[in-house]
Amino acid sequence: EVQLVESGGGLVQPGGSLRLSCAASGFTFSSHWMHWVRQAPGKGLVWVSRVNREGNYTNYADSVKGRFTISRDNAKNTLYLQMNSLRAEDTAVYYCTRDGDNWNFDHWGPGTLVTVSS
Amino acid sequence: QSALTQPASVSGSPGQSITISCTGTSSDVGAYNYVSWYQQYPGKAPKLVIYDVNKRPSGVSHRFSGSKSGNTASLTISGLQAEDEADYYCSSYTTSITWVFGGGTKLTVL
Repeated sequence: EVQLVESGGGLVQPGGSLRLSCAASGFTFSSHWMHWVRQAPGKGLVWVSRVNREGNYTNYADSVKGRFTISRDNAKNTLYLQMNSLRAEDTAVYYCTRDGDNWNFDHWGPGTLVTVSS
Repeated sequence: QSALTQPASVSGSPGQSITISCTGTSSDVGAYNYVSWYQQYPGKAPKLVIYDVNKRPSGVSHRFSGSKSGNTASLTISGLQAEDEADYYCSSYTTSITWVFGGGTKLTVL
């Protein structure tokens, strides 16, 4: 069974940093591209970032480009999202998702809440 | 990248069919057949119900179907059941090598 479990969320002040992790199991992690998607409270889904299987090619939404860095450790079956210069508008539940090989999100973790507030 | 346009809400009675539209542009929905749909219950993670415009993942009810015409994709749920009451989001790959979601549609089963 595919499992994705995020961790690392919490309360951080504006301008601060946070690193999210996503532990993957139940599938060959290194065979799938991976994404982060976020959802602000009461709002819709927003794509954040993607990383290829090897971890050497990434894409970002304009709203996080230059502030967030996606990475992965295939030996540890773990996906990361380093978030710097955090803003109030980054407050959201962050979901780790697996790419189903046709540019869709076929499995999702339960999400981790990031709150940016002073 | 602007969000895809979905109706804020739709409703139907048990047994009926409903359709949710998802309108984008020639840079996303109209550019590729990489449109997918997600079902989300309150407080839960989304679940993939349609991918590649009209394909169903294993385990998803045959009552869910998808289609696309030009820049507009659609999700149809037939034989509406109480358990279908949820939020539904469309998503598309874009020519900018990003993904865009719709604003979401709240389905109410009357």
